[in-house]
Order: sequence, then C-alpha cells, then structure tokens
Amino acid sequence: GAVVSQHPSRVICKSGTSVKIECRSLDFQATTMFWYRQFPKQSLMLMATSNEGSKATYEQGVEKDKFLINHASLTLSTLTVTSAHPEDSSFYICSANKVEDTQYFGPGTRLTVL
Amino acid sequence: QQQVKQSPQSLIVQKGGISIINCAYENTAFDYFPWYQQFPGKGPALLIAIRPDVSEKKEGRFTISFNKSAKQFSLHIMDSQPGDSATYFCAASFYTGTASKLTFGTGTRLQVTL
Repeated sequence: GAVVSQHPSRVICKSGTSVKIECRSLDFQATTMFWYRQFPKQSLMLMATSNEGSKATYEQGVEKDKFLINHASLTLSTLTVTSAHPEDSSFYICSANKVEDTQYFGPGTRLTVL
Repeated sequence: QQQVKQSPQSLIVQKGGISIINCAYENTAFDYFPWYQQFPGKGPALLIAIRPDVSEKKEGRFTISFNKSAKQFSLHIMDSQPGDSATYFCAASFYTGTASKLTFGTGTRLQVTL
C-alpha cells in the first residue's frame, strides 16, 4: 500500500494565530513531499516541494514566511500557516513520492480562519 | 508550456455508459501521466497512470489512451456506475533528478445517473 495521513482533518482558528498541519507517510519512506492548496471546485495548486533534511522549494507567488514547511524525517512533513487570515482559508493537501514520480495524496485538511 | 488542458469541465453519463475525459499537453519533457479521482472533501486518489512508451493501459474498467504525436491522452471509464461520480484530474510530470512535480488539469466533474 501507499497510505498518507494528515492531521488535523479540520481546523478552525482565529485570525492572527498559527496553525500546524502534519503529513505522514504511514507505510513507506518518502524522499519528497509536496503541499498543495485547493479552492472550491478548482484544481490543485502546488505550493511547495520539500525534501527530508533540506529547505523547501516554494512555487512562485507563495509566501515562504507565511507557509513554513519542515520535513523532519522520511515520513513526516509539516506545514505551518503563520498569522493566519480569512484569505488563508482553504483545503490543504499533502502528497508523498513512493517511487520516482508516483505521488500519493493525503486526505486533506480544511482550514477555516475566522 | 507547463499547462495541461482538460475537457470537458463536466460530464453526465447514464449508468452503464462510457465516460471519456480528454487532456492535452505541450511540454514534451513530460513522461508520466497519472489520473486522479477526487470525492468531495477528500484528497485525490491515484486511479491509473501511463508512460509515453505505451499507447494504452487498462486496469479494470479504467483505460488510458495515449497519443504521443498529438500530445493527448484520455481516460475511458467503461460501464460507468453512480459510485464513479466524482471529479477527475489528469496530470503530467517529468523527473528532474530530485523530484517530479505534477501539473494538473482543471478537472472534470462526472455525474453518473441511474
């Protein structure tokens, strides 16, 4: 199998607070993990690529100081949304590479910022 | 050149019918073409994938047809069932040596009616 989990599945927070989302590959080691954002009825937008032990690579237009990514081990990556605002409300999804180019996705995290 | 164009945007098919979704790309460096299925509020799930050295791949009721010269590929769902009602995304990637970043199509919302 290739199972990727995310925690939490839903989070509601107040504007100005920070939120951390965890992404774990449960039954395989992932050299690379990816973070996506998805707006309602839209496609997935890649935010950043992270490799274990190195700094994440952010896509153009994504604020690296707002979306902090840490890839602490071959099975865990975290996304921290700092000083969240209502416009950060979205569906955040992570994925992990099992073999070269096959990405397996987590179930997603619904973030609502009040 | 990084775009993947997907059509139709939405599709209604009767139970037992064939659902066909098409995608086209420009970047000839792409060498991996997966299809993902996504249900509301869930992460995308890998359905089937193909590489450009084959023209067709079949897994159960799902078939990918690939036309390298036309830079097009399509998903066929045979004997479509109500449980197939979901959003389908095509994608394309190439391996850079450190990571393969997926470029997604815009998605097709499939509804299978009784």
